[in-house]
Amino acid sequence: EIVLTQSPATLSLSPGDRATLSCRASQSVSSYLGWYQQKPGQAPRLLIYDVSNRATGIPGRFSGSGSGTDFTLTISSLETEDFAVYYCQHRANWPLTFGGGTKVEIK
Amino acid sequence: QVQLVESGGGVVQPGRSLRLSCAASGFTFSDYAMHWVRQAPGKGLEWVAVISHDGSNEKYVDSVKGRFTISRDNSQNTLSLQMNSLRGEDTAVYYCAKGHVPSATNWYGNWFDPWGQGSLVTVSS
Repeated sequence: EIVLTQSPATLSLSPGDRATLSCRASQSVSSYLGWYQQKPGQAPRLLIYDVSNRATGIPGRFSGSGSGTDFTLTISSLETEDFAVYYCQHRANWPLTFGGGTKVEIK
Repeated sequence: QVQLVESGGGVVQPGRSLRLSCAASGFTFSDYAMHWVRQAPGKGLEWVAVISHDGSNEKYVDSVKGRFTISRDNSQNTLSLQMNSLRGEDTAVYYCAKGHVPSATNWYGNWFDPWGQGSLVTVSS
């Protein structure tokens, strides 16, 4: 099973700041890495798939990068609606697994 | 627009069974794989199971193999999860999710998009 480790666990930032979230895989997942956003009391939403492709309706301030075992989700300038928990997930093999999440909170 | 609505959650004793359903609308259900993903209270996400568009392929996380069965009825646009021999560690919100791409592209749909609102299953005596 591929283990995804996200860091930091919590990121305290202000609106307008740049957010950089990390996801590290225990073995290569090639480019099969995605990101989801979850707000309190809501279902997760697909943000980024296959490392760097934005899902439908996702604003351009969200971007993804990386390959192999190290990946990054960047939010270029935080809006108030971006404060949430973010999960990475791979689809390189079975079982599909998620990282433990990074909470982006208002400083 | 795509809608996924789960039902069937509730409180159940350890060792008993429960069946979740997910009613789908707004897309051609029979073209897409469907998944179940769960989230224990205050915890992260765990993928549970997937079924291909025609029901010919299934995969499960090891912790539910032999206890949970995923199925679908394409005539009714409904996805189900039969959960037997439930344990305390199965307590979670269960989400159904649509495969991001049609099964013709990749049988399991690659990613989860979108998700339903979830159904809470509590296993407790």
